[in-house]
Amino acid sequence: KAGVTQTPRYLIKTRGQQVTLSCSPISGHRSVSWYQQTPGQGLQFLFEYFSETQRNKGNFPGRFSGRQFSNSRSEMNVSTLELGDSALYLCASSWTSSSYEQYFGPGTRLTVT
Amino acid sequence: SQQGEEDPQALSIQEGENATMNCSYKTSINNLQWYRQNSGRGLVHLILIRSNEREKHSGRLRVTLDTSKKSSSLLITASRAADTASYFCATEQAAAGNKLTFGGGTRVLVKP
Repeated sequence: KAGVTQTPRYLIKTRGQQVTLSCSPISGHRSVSWYQQTPGQGLQFLFEYFSETQRNKGNFPGRFSGRQFSNSRSEMNVSTLELGDSALYLCASSWTSSSYEQYFGPGTRLTVT
Repeated sequence: SQQGEEDPQALSIQEGENATMNCSYKTSINNLQWYRQNSGRGLVHLILIRSNEREKHSGRLRVTLDTSKKSSSLLITASRAADTASYFCATEQAAAGNKLTFGGGTRVLVKP
């Protein structure tokens, strides 16, 4: 069974630009969660999608948004990038929810200059 | 603020020794999970322990949960150089809408 894949793996953007990150979950998994990891704040929950609906949201500004498609693939978008958005963005999938073990992708390393 | 706080923040041991790290949390949980992360990569799930369980084992890993003290511990026995990684606890709280909240992690260095 293929693991969680994230594209792109690395990205460099300029302040003010927007970015879209993609995540393909493990086949059969319907829940996709996104996390931001930085040295200062650690791992922080962004949002969770299940069956194309946002089921849960963390404490991030509205510049961070996401969506899930009918095949469970998910994208997250960050608009008007700030330097502080530089981070490793991790996607995780699970069968139904975070009550079960989550399978993480390798992450997308975003650098904002 | 983080729900789970790991202790110690860093740990250095010799190969073959045991490594113990602790996680404390603040509010009632449904379950607690431990993950491992190797140098800026994705996390790997290790063990999930539910609030009504006290101890679980998986290979060289042993996890305990004390809900009265709101704490958990992860023990890695007979450590190997390949165990060098950061270890995170994550809690699922019903009050938080069942999302996972991660602690700051313990960096473990196993010296050969």
